[in-house]
Amino acid sequence: DAKTTQPTSMDCAEGRAANLPCNHSTISGNEYVYWYRQIHSQGPQYIIHGLKNNETNEMASLIITEDRKSSTLILPHATLRDTAVYYCIAPSDSNYQLIWGAGTKLIIKP
Amino acid sequence: DTEVTQTPKHLVMGMTNKKSLKCEQHMGHRAMYWYKQKAKKPPELMFVYSYEKLSINESVPSRFSPECPNSSLLNLHLHALQPEDSALYLCASSPGQGFSEKLFFGSGTQLSVL
Repeated sequence: DAKTTQPTSMDCAEGRAANLPCNHSTISGNEYVYWYRQIHSQGPQYIIHGLKNNETNEMASLIITEDRKSSTLILPHATLRDTAVYYCIAPSDSNYQLIWGAGTKLIIKP
Repeated sequence: DTEVTQTPKHLVMGMTNKKSLKCEQHMGHRAMYWYKQKAKKPPELMFVYSYEKLSINESVPSRFSPECPNSSLLNLHLHALQPEDSALYLCASSPGQGFSEKLFFGSGTQLSVL
């Protein structure tokens, strides 16, 4: 079973920051949290991952709470091309492979 | 080259047919994966190959048969499929098999079983 829970869908205005929350209260101290997105009719695309500290790359920022029970993915200036399903993912306990939750459908509106 | 290439993009097959899906990467990655994705659902892991050896089989029915001929290629052989096997089949690769590895996905093969 997936260890992460996310809202089913969210809207965001173009040009604004999109903040996507994720709860992962059961992950252990050495488990990373990963974010991928899937644009319609394409394969998933890696965005970012983190363990404890906040992370930033050219695509997004990841803010992880100090207790590691939740995190937020931030797309700083959302564009229409950011419309996609965003998956917050944690590894399985059994085989250390990523178990994908249901994801959040993010719709960027003009 | 940071691409994972999957062929064909679309495939329609009958329940008695035999077909194969192909996946190729030239990034020097040593782990390759097959995922199945039904409409409006997240990807589900099917198989993992690490250094050309099958390392994980997520209890996939034997009508799906993976093959890794070399470190760049991954095939999925299909035989006697059922209509419920219709889905998007995604191939991915990563530098190694560790859970901290970043996955690179292909665009998938949309399979319809009639």
